[in-house]
Amino acid sequence: EIVLTQSPATLSLSPGERATLSCKASQSISTYLVWYQQRLGQAPRLLIYDASNRATDIPGRFSGSGSGTDFTLTISSLEPEDFAVYYCQQRFNWPPITFGQGTRLEIK
Amino acid sequence: QITLKESGPTLVKPTQTLTLTCTFSAFSLSASGVGVGWIRQPPGKALEWLAFIYWNDDKHYSPSLENRLTITKDTTRNQVVLTMTDMDPVDTATYFCAHKPDTIFGLVMRNPLFDYWGPGILVTVSA
Repeated sequence: EIVLTQSPATLSLSPGERATLSCKASQSISTYLVWYQQRLGQAPRLLIYDASNRATDIPGRFSGSGSGTDFTLTISSLEPEDFAVYYCQQRFNWPPITFGQGTRLEIK
Repeated sequence: QITLKESGPTLVKPTQTLTLTCTFSAFSLSASGVGVGWIRQPPGKALEWLAFIYWNDDKHYSPSLENRLTITKDTTRNQVVLTMTDMDPVDTATYFCAHKPDTIFGLVMRNPLFDYWGPGILVTVSA
């Protein structure tokens, strides 16, 4: 089973700042890494697929990078609606489909 | 616009069997490459994948829960059903169903990712 480790667990920033979230895989997953955003009380929302491709209607301030075992989600300038929990998911080797434990992005 | 919605009991007793239905619209589960997955989330915790079914009836389960799960589809009714046996309080969670696309911007998506999710249903296991 591929384990995904996200860091930090919590990130405290202010609107307008840049956010950098990390997801590390326990073995190489090429670029088969997906990012989701989950706002409080809502279902997850697909943000980024295959490490660096924005999904439909995702603003350009969201970007993803990485390959192999190390991946990064960057939000260039935080908007109030971006404060949420972010999960990574690998789709390289399954079953099982695995998710990271999440990074909570909170307002400082 | 693709939509999915979970339905079923919100309270089950320990040892009972949970049956959840995912009713969807605006896609067909008989279209090549399409799939539906079930994911759960205990209160305040992370997402956990449970089961997945492809358009061709290929099925996959979480290895840790495989002996308790069954996933089926009814393409005529646009539904996917998940059953989980021997429910325990640790199974208390919000259960989501989600759509796997065949392609995104023309790129074939063989392995699952989920682009549309239902709102989820909170299932509590308690005597």
